[in-house]
Amino acid sequence: GQQLNQSPQSMFIQEGEDVSMNCTSSSIFNTWLWYKQEPGEGPVLLIALYKAGELTSNGRLTAQFGITRKDSFLNISASIPSDVGIYFCAGRNYGGSQGNLIFGKGTKLSVKP
Amino acid sequence: NAGVTQTPKFQVLKTGQSMTLQCAQDMNHNSMYWYRQDPGMGLRLIYYSASEGTTDKGEVPNGYNVSRLNKREFSLRLESAAPSQTSVYFCASSEAMGSTFGSGTRLTVV
Repeated sequence: GQQLNQSPQSMFIQEGEDVSMNCTSSSIFNTWLWYKQEPGEGPVLLIALYKAGELTSNGRLTAQFGITRKDSFLNISASIPSDVGIYFCAGRNYGGSQGNLIFGKGTKLSVKP
Repeated sequence: NAGVTQTPKFQVLKTGQSMTLQCAQDMNHNSMYWYRQDPGMGLRLIYYSASEGTTDKGEVPNGYNVSRLNKREFSLRLESAAPSQTSVYFCASSEAMGSTFGSGTRLTVV
């Protein structure tokens, strides 16, 4: 089936550093979503993007919907220990039903205090 | 403010046993989903229900059945569990925006 390429797979950073991760697809999406998952919990929605070129912030998090509609990135500024978790991108196709939300394989973030 | 509630949280089954995973949401969402999460694989859609009374297959439906009992509840049934179904299962619901997930059921089939 269709897949999203999410990178990097994992990151080990120092507290205070900025973080950047991205997702790319061979297909056009009309929606990009970014989720965070903490151990033992389900993913929690961080940011939703609906228009090509859209740049949206949520606190220290900023995400962009790529102009080609085939990619998105998530930046975290001034990381803190509670940013630890797995970050997933997800995309929905044009004309897709509610079921056509495709997830990347995740970026595991570790933050050293 | 419960959101999406899944039961049980943990389950161990023997190969060939059956069980039903329960999911309920209190947000009046039309759409509900079942995903499985395996290491390095991300989340894969098993089945979804766009509205009460309808269900559709996702990416990995084999070995599973679902029932949309009413608007609130969407259950996932394993008729004859296999070791390959060892995974963490997540239920989710949504309207126009992104999905809200439950906290998961960790299933081990031995």
